[in-house]
Amino acid sequence: EVQLLESGGGLVQSGGSLRLSCAASGFTFSNYAMSWVRQAPGKGLEWVSGISGSGGTTHYTDSMKGRFTISRDNFKKTLYLQMNSLRADDTAVYYCAKGPTTSFCWPHYWGQGTLVTVSS
Amino acid sequence: ETTLTQSPAFMSATPGDKVNISCKASQDIDDDLNWYLQRPGEAAIFIIQEATTLVPGISPRFSGSGYGTDFTLTINNIESEDAAYYFCLQHDNFPLTFGQGTKVEIK
Repeated sequence: EVQLLESGGGLVQSGGSLRLSCAASGFTFSNYAMSWVRQAPGKGLEWVSGISGSGGTTHYTDSMKGRFTISRDNFKKTLYLQMNSLRADDTAVYYCAKGPTTSFCWPHYWGQGTLVTVSS
Repeated sequence: ETTLTQSPAFMSATPGDKVNISCKASQDIDDDLNWYLQRPGEAAIFIIQEATTLVPGISPRFSGSGYGTDFTLTINNIESEDAAYYFCLQHDNFPLTFGQGTKVEIK
């Protein structure tokens, strides 16, 4: 059974940094691309970033490029999102998602999310 | 960037109803569109891939149609367990984008 467990969320001041983690189990982690998706309170879903199975290819939504960095450790079966220069509008539930193949990162399975709150 | 316009934002249905949710893309995305549902407090579930293909294990009461820019999720004979937030996703181009979602309430 695919399981994705996000952690690392919490309260951070504007301008601060936070690193989210997503521990994966139930599948061969290195064989699948992964994504981060977020949902701000009362808003729709927003794709943040994706990474290939090897970690060699990454994609970002323009508004987060340069502030957020996606990475993965295939030995630890963990996906990361380093978030810097956080702003109030980054407040959201952040979801980790598994893609269907090593290259395609669109969500196939989702975690339950971790809440990030940025205070201004 | 491809914008997905999803409607309605909210709907209330009676058990047994047939429900349609629309997702319109701002440009041609072929059939690169998925549908998901999310119940409160639970992880999202992938239900339709490539616009029309039912994901294995998902109830056949769900179906998808459309190609290009206009897509529809249909729920036949809706049941109480179908109360959820439904959303579409396009994966034709980066950045991936979502519809704004539809909250379905069962009376």
